[in-house]
Order: sequence, then structure tokens, then C-alpha cells
Amino acid sequence: ELKVEQNPLFLSMQEGKNYTIYCNYSTTSDRLYWYRQDPGKSLESLFVLLSNGAVKQEGRLMASLDTKARLSTLHITAAVHDLSATYFCAVEADKIIFGKGTRLHILP
Amino acid sequence: DTEVTQTPKHLVMGMTNKKSLKCEQHMGHRAMYWYKQKAKKPPELMFVYSYEKLSINESVPSRFSPECPNSSLLNLHLHALQPEDSALYLCASSQGAGTGGYYGYTFGSGTRLTVV
Repeated sequence: ELKVEQNPLFLSMQEGKNYTIYCNYSTTSDRLYWYRQDPGKSLESLFVLLSNGAVKQEGRLMASLDTKARLSTLHITAAVHDLSATYFCAVEADKIIFGKGTRLHILP
Repeated sequence: DTEVTQTPKHLVMGMTNKKSLKCEQHMGHRAMYWYKQKAKKPPELMFVYSYEKLSINESVPSRFSPECPNSSLLNLHLHALQPEDSALYLCASSQGAGTGGYYGYTFGSGTRLTVV
């Protein structure tokens, strides 16, 4: 059974700092997705990673995928308050499984 | 049109009521999904429709009944719900038949359901 582990589950950081969220998964997959969710809102697609070594960047966020290590990272560069949200990774095998989410709180 | 539209946005229902949640997409996506999300938890998959046929039912209680009238519409019929069924119900669609494909999953804004 596919298991997806995210860490940390909660992160409080200062504006301007860099940090990384990790997503580990237990079985072979080459499809991984990152989503953002604001409180009470739906999920916004951030990145679709479809192959080993895939790297995608959008603004201050960069995501990568290492299928051999079964690991994806979401790196935040020079964080700003507007990035405060919950971030989910989701891995697809025979179905999609979400990680528990990382609640990111960026202090102004 | 790159949206998944869900109605209603909020719903309060009694335990003896019958109600339906609706979801619509006009992106030509081949698969549609229902998820349930409790507060501060990840979305949990409930049902998957692929080419208008139910392909996955994640052992959801029969008080939840999905329906896919056509490739653009997805309903979730609710009957005799319990207070613990209160949650955010999310609809999603994908171009791939049961997979996210190259573009991933597009989620609707959700229906906030409260069972009293």
C-alpha cells in the first residue's frame, strides 16, 4: 500500500528565510503533485512532476522529484507572508494518495 | 473554461434529509472524482468515475451515492447522513482516465457540508 509522508507537518518561519518541505513515498511512482490550500479554500495546483530529476520553479517555489530515492522537495526561497498556507504533496500509483500536509506560517 | 464548478458552496442538512451535491467541468476531462476533507486533514478519495463509469469506490458508506449523468457532470446524493459526515466535499477532474496525466487534477471550490 502506498504511503506518503510529509515533513515537517508544521513550519513557522520568518520572512526572507529559505526552507524545504520533504515528501517521501513508499512505492514506485513517477507522478507527483504539489498543491496549496488556503484555510477554507480548495486545492490549487502548484507543480506536476512526471519524471525522475524533474525540477519546476514558479516564483519563490521550486519543486523536484527523485524517483529513485522516492523523494520530492518543495523549496521556498526568501519567504513572504503571502506564501502562508498548507502545502500537500500527492503521489499517484494505482490511485492518488495525499500526504498529511505542511502548515506553513510565515511571520512578517 | 479551466474550472470545476461545485454547487452549493454551503449546505446544512438534517440527518433525515436527502440532498445532492453537484459538480461540472467543461474541460473535456475523462475522469471525475469526489473527495472528503475534514479540517486540518488531507483530502480522502471517495469515488472515481472514468469515462462516466464508476471505477473506484473507496468503501464509502451507502448513504453517499455518486452519479455521473454525462462526461461533464458528477453528482453526490446524500441521504441519512451522520454529524461526523460534516466536512468539505471536493470534486476534481483530470484529463487522464483515472490518472492526473500531464496536467494533474483540477479541484473545484468545494461544498462545505454541515449535518445537524
